[in-house]
Amino acid sequence: EVQLLESGGGLVQPGGSLRLSCAASGFTFSSYAMSWVRQAPGKGLEWVSSISGSGGSTYYADSVKGRLTISRDNSKNELYLQVNSLRADDTAVYYCAKDLFSGYDSRGVFDSWGQGTLVTGSS
Amino acid sequence: SSELTQDPTVSVALGQTVRITCRGDSLGSYYATWYQQKPGQAPILVFYGHNNRPSGIPGRFSGSSSGNTASLTITGAQAEDEADYYCNSRDSSGNHLVFGGGTKLTVL
Repeated sequence: EVQLLESGGGLVQPGGSLRLSCAASGFTFSSYAMSWVRQAPGKGLEWVSSISGSGGSTYYADSVKGRLTISRDNSKNELYLQVNSLRADDTAVYYCAKDLFSGYDSRGVFDSWGQGTLVTGSS
Repeated sequence: SSELTQDPTVSVALGQTVRITCRGDSLGSYYATWYQQKPGQAPILVFYGHNNRPSGIPGRFSGSSSGNTASLTITGAQAEDEADYYCNSRDSSGNHLVFGGGTKLTVL
């Protein structure tokens, strides 16, 4: 059974930093692209970033490029999102999501999601 | 603003058929993927590609596409189908993913 467990969220002052983690199990982690999707309170889903299975290719939404960095450690089966220069509008639940298809860059077909971790940017 | 446009709210009578639409220029080139999200829960995949329904998703969920519009159809809507539905696909550049704004489905 695929399991994705996010951690690292919390209350952070604007301008601050934090690193989100997603521990994966139940599948061959290195074979699948992974993504972060966020959802602001009461709002819709927003794609944030994706990374290929090898980690060699990364993609970012224009709204976060230069401030957020996606990475992965395939030896630990973990996905990360480094959030720098946090802004109030980064406040959201951050989900990690697994691609359905193996061996490709993300196609945006997410067959497994974690339960999310809440990031709040506020002083 | 999202490059994929969805009607914010749709309602359907119990047992009737409802179509939820997603419009965007990129849908002329890329398939839409559909997710269902209930309050307080993570989204789940309900339909993708030309004609693919994940295992465990009821057969009353189907998808279609015509031009720049993709649709998710629920034939015989049930009370448990009341949820938010989101489409996603690539944006018009093909480099990024994008979600529609979501449709809140109410089953009357």
